[in-house]
Amino acid sequence: DAGVTQSPTHLIKTRGQQVTLRCSPKSGHDTVSWYQQALGQGPQFIFQYYEEEERQRGNFPDRFSGHQFPNYSSELNVNALLLGDSALYLCASSLSRTNRDTQYFGPGTRLTVL
Amino acid sequence: QKEVEQNSGPLSVPEGAIASLNCTYSDRGSQSFFWYRQYSGKSPELIMFIYSNGDKEDGRFTAQLNKASQYVSLLIRDSQPSDSATYLCAVKLSENNNDMRFGAGTRLTVKP
Repeated sequence: DAGVTQSPTHLIKTRGQQVTLRCSPKSGHDTVSWYQQALGQGPQFIFQYYEEEERQRGNFPDRFSGHQFPNYSSELNVNALLLGDSALYLCASSLSRTNRDTQYFGPGTRLTVL
Repeated sequence: QKEVEQNSGPLSVPEGAIASLNCTYSDRGSQSFFWYRQYSGKSPELIMFIYSNGDKEDGRFTAQLNKASQYVSLLIRDSQPSDSATYLCAVKLSENNNDMRFGAGTRLTVKP
C-alpha cells in the first residue's frame, strides 16, 4: 500500500523566486490538503483539493496556489517567495466520501528561503 | 482564544508511567478529533481519531473526548523512551468545513 509521497525533500530558494512542490496521495485517496508548518508550531491549513478543484482555503495569500491532476496528485506553487515562507510543507491525503477526513501526511518538503 | 490549545510542555515522565496529554478547542460544532505524533524533523503520524464522547482504546493509547467541556485527551500507558516526541491535537471544525486546525503540540520526553 503506497503511502503519501512528496518531492523534493529539501529545497533552497532566494527571495522573489517561485517554487513548485509535488504530492502523490495514498493509494485509494482522492483528496489532498496542504499545510505549512513553521518551526515549533502546528501545521497550518493552506488549502484542500478535491475533484481537481480547490474546495477550501485557509488564511494564506494568493501567492500560494495549487492544482490537482486527474490521478489525484497535487502541486503547491508559491510565488514571490519571502523569508517567512521558510517552513516544512506537508501534504496530507484523505478519502472524501468518508466525510470524517482522516488525513495521512507525507514526509514533507523542507523549504528554505534565503 | 486559539481554536485548538495544548500545553507546549515539555512533559517529562519516567519509563513505564502514564503520560497524559490534553487539548481544548473553541468551536462547539467540531466533529472529528485526531492525535498525531511527530518526531523531530519528521512529518506527523496519525495515532488515533475519535468522534464520539467517551474513551477509545488502541493498544497503549487511549483517547478521551468530552464535547460538553470541549476537551480531548490522550493517555499513553507504559510509556517508552520511543514515545518521546511532539504530540499534535487536531480538530476538524464542522461537518462541511474541511479546514483541520492543529494545536502547537506538546513535547513529551520519556526518561529511561
